[in-house]
Amino acid sequence: DVVMTQSPLSLPVTLGQPASISCRSSQSLVHSDGNTYLNWFQQRPGQSPRRLIYKVFNRDSGVPDRFSGSESGTDFTLKISRVEAEDVGIYYCMQGTHWPWTFGQGTKVEIK
Amino acid sequence: EVQLVESGGDLVQPGGSLRLSCAASGFTFSSYWMSWVRQAPGKGLEWVANIKQDGSEKYYVDSVKGRFTISRDNAKNSLYLQMNSLRAEDTAVYYCARGRGSCWGQGTLVTVSS
Repeated sequence: DVVMTQSPLSLPVTLGQPASISCRSSQSLVHSDGNTYLNWFQQRPGQSPRRLIYKVFNRDSGVPDRFSGSESGTDFTLKISRVEAEDVGIYYCMQGTHWPWTFGQGTKVEIK
Repeated sequence: EVQLVESGGDLVQPGGSLRLSCAASGFTFSSYWMSWVRQAPGKGLEWVANIKQDGSEKYYVDSVKGRFTISRDNAKNSLYLQMNSLRAEDTAVYYCARGRGSCWGQGTLVTVSS
């Protein structure tokens, strides 16, 4: 199975400051159809997960533009340009290229 | 509005069976792969199974192969998960998800305990 390794696992941030979460895959996530199926999800306390980013850098509808995704080979990054209180929660990367689709361990974002 | 509503979660004894359902609305259900994802209490997310639009392809994570069966009824806009030979480690909130997670339900809790 493809292992997705996130870091850090805990991220205390100051309101208004940037934040960055890394995710490394154990193998290439380029699908045979040419797409790279790397998604980012946000799970606020007590809620279902919500997809923020799909195929590395595409923001889902309604997602604030302070969220962005990027890649460098098998290393992927989610950046929040200016953290707001509503961004508190756990963030997961997920690969949908190789079955079984797998998630990272999750990064807990909290306000300092 | 796109909506997924799960039901069927319950307390069941080890070795027992349960059938989960997911009712979809607000989109063309038959056009999408559909999935079940679970989350054990206080833990991360695990993709359990998914099924192609016409039901012709199904995939399962190794830990549930031979015990769980995913199915769908496109006429009823519904997704199902038949869970047999349940174990304590199957205890989790089970989510229905569209495609590679573009939309999620609110989840239904399955507790396996004697």
